[in-house]
Amino acid sequence: GQQVMQIPQYQHVQEGEDFTTYCNSSTTLSNIQWYKQRPGGHPVFLIQLVKSGEVKKQKRLTFQFGEAKKNSSLHITATQTTDVGTYFCRGSGNTGKLIFGQGTTLQVKP
Amino acid sequence: GAGVSQSPRYKVAKRGQDVALRCDPISGHVSLFWYQQALGQGPEFLTYFQNEAQLDKSGLPSDRFFAERPEGSVSTLKIQRTQQEDSAVYLCASSLDGRSYQPQHFGDGTRLSIL
Repeated sequence: GQQVMQIPQYQHVQEGEDFTTYCNSSTTLSNIQWYKQRPGGHPVFLIQLVKSGEVKKQKRLTFQFGEAKKNSSLHITATQTTDVGTYFCRGSGNTGKLIFGQGTTLQVKP
Repeated sequence: GAGVSQSPRYKVAKRGQDVALRCDPISGHVSLFWYQQALGQGPEFLTYFQNEAQLDKSGLPSDRFFAERPEGSVSTLKIQRTQQEDSAVYLCASSLDGRSYQPQHFGDGTRLSIL
């Protein structure tokens, strides 16, 4: 069945370093959404990508959707301690199934 | 309320007991989703409602799991004869409608521990 793989599972960075998480689907996605879950909290919607090759920015966060609409990335420039949490991608396939990746947990050392 | 509300926040039950978890979605949201989240994992889809209709229950792990949304608003997830592997956080999410590009709004979840 459709799968969404997310890597890496964990990432520890020094404050100020960059961070990237990648999401890969076994099938073409109609759209992809990104969520952030703080420790002890619930997933919070960040952004959605729909078009092939789309790039969106939110301050220090850059989101990309691959040309084949099978992969996506989230890049954080100059991480801050407030970026700590787990970042999930959520893919939507042609069948309408919504599948979350396993998440990448980011730790930032001050 | 302004967000999705789930209760109880924490639930401890003995193996074999039945539990009921409640979700109050955002007012006016047509779609409601239940997810199971194990420690260190992403949310795993359990079931999906559009209004009162349960359109997809393919993620329910066994027939011990049952969900309902009788009036198209509040939903209850019931787990019968609980087992230790049912221990997890159960997240509820709602969205404006069932279209996949609608963002999902999550509740704080119910942390279920089965002893």
